[in-house]
Amino acid sequence: DVVLTQTPPTLSATIGQSVSISCRSSQSLLHSNGNTYLNWLLQRPGQPPQLLIYLVSRLESGVPNRFSGSGSGTDFTLKISGVEAEDLGVYYCVQSTHAPFTFGSGTKLEIK
Amino acid sequence: QVQLKESGPGLVQASETLSLTCTVSGFSLTSYHVSWVRQPPGKGLEWMGRIRSGGSTDYNSALKSRLSISRDTSKSQVLLKMNSLQTEDTAIYYCTRDFDYWGQGVMVTVSS
Repeated sequence: DVVLTQTPPTLSATIGQSVSISCRSSQSLLHSNGNTYLNWLLQRPGQPPQLLIYLVSRLESGVPNRFSGSGSGTDFTLKISGVEAEDLGVYYCVQSTHAPFTFGSGTKLEIK
Repeated sequence: QVQLKESGPGLVQASETLSLTCTVSGFSLTSYHVSWVRQPPGKGLEWMGRIRSGGSTDYNSALKSRLSISRDTSKSQVLLKMNSLQTEDTAIYYCTRDFDYWGQGVMVTVSS
């Protein structure tokens, strides 16, 4: 099974600060069809997860453009350019290239 | 609009079988894959398995021997059955359409 290693486990940021989260895969997430199925989710306290980014870098409809995703192969990054108070929660990467799908262990973003 | 809603018993006895239903609306089960994801209290997300739009299934390696996912397209429902429950199976259980839409989740407690 694919293992996703997500770092850091916790992140503390001030409003307006830019932060990045890393997600590294134990094998390439490039599918034979040419797509890379790496998604980023945000789970706010007491809520189900919500999709932020799909296919590495595509912004889900309605998600603010301060969120961006990048990477390829086995190394991926989520960047928040100018953290806002509503961004607090736990961020997860999840791969759906190789079944069984797998999640990263999560990064908790706290606001200072 | 797209909606998913989980339903099932809130309390199950250890060693028994859990049965959950995900009722969807706003899309067809023959056009989208639906996954089950669970989250133990205070912990991260775990992908359990999915039923593809064509009806085939994929399962988490660790749960494969205990888990079954099926569907009733006439009722727009995806069904989860997991046997030999243990207290470690206590979690919020979510269904999700390809990670872009999620249900609110159902809390299941396994009592010993």
